[in-house]
Amino acid sequence: AQSVAQPEDQVNVAEGNPLTVKCTYSVSGNPYLFWYVQYPNRGLQFLLKYITGDNLVKGSYGFEAEFNKSQTSFHLKKPSALVSDSALYFCAVRDDRGYQKVTFGIGTKLQVIP
Amino acid sequence: DTEVTQTPKHLVMGMTNKKSLKCEQHMGHRAMYWYKQKAKKPPELMFVYSYEKLSINESVPSRFSPECPNSSLLNLHLHALQPEDSALYLCASSQVGEVNIQYFGAGTRLSVL
Repeated sequence: AQSVAQPEDQVNVAEGNPLTVKCTYSVSGNPYLFWYVQYPNRGLQFLLKYITGDNLVKGSYGFEAEFNKSQTSFHLKKPSALVSDSALYFCAVRDDRGYQKVTFGIGTKLQVIP
Repeated sequence: DTEVTQTPKHLVMGMTNKKSLKCEQHMGHRAMYWYKQKAKKPPELMFVYSYEKLSINESVPSRFSPECPNSSLLNLHLHALQPEDSALYLCASSQVGEVNIQYFGAGTRLSVL
């Protein structure tokens, strides 16, 4: 079985400050990890993925994520938050065998304060 | 074109009605998905089609009936739904294979009265 934990329901950060949205995972095989963002009344948009290789992954809109195998974490980061980054962020995981089934975390609401 | 189009955007139906949700993509993706998302919850996988054949059914009640008439279209037929089925229904598509980034539609917000 695979699972994702996002321990924070909401993260508040001031505009211009760095942000971190936390994610830990559990899979049987090697993890494939994803971050998606959802704006109100919209579907999910892909931000970035980790498959293999460098532990620091760069994605869309200036976001990046750090894969840490020993801590089974994949935290989302951005050096300088924008008000327009305010949205719901989902971490997702699948193992390297079940390519069709992705498990999403419960989501973290990011609020960037002007 | 990275767009997945879902219609209708909103749907209100009674428990005895029959309705259908539609999803369309023209990215050449051969895997298509239906998810159900309740408020403040993550999307929950319902069905997966791969090469137009149903490959995953996550024990979804038979009042939900998926259909994939061709590689670009995915339907979800609804019949005799319950009020607890009210949710946002999301469609997604992806390439079939190892690195399957899923592209999502905006969803259909369904209310069952």
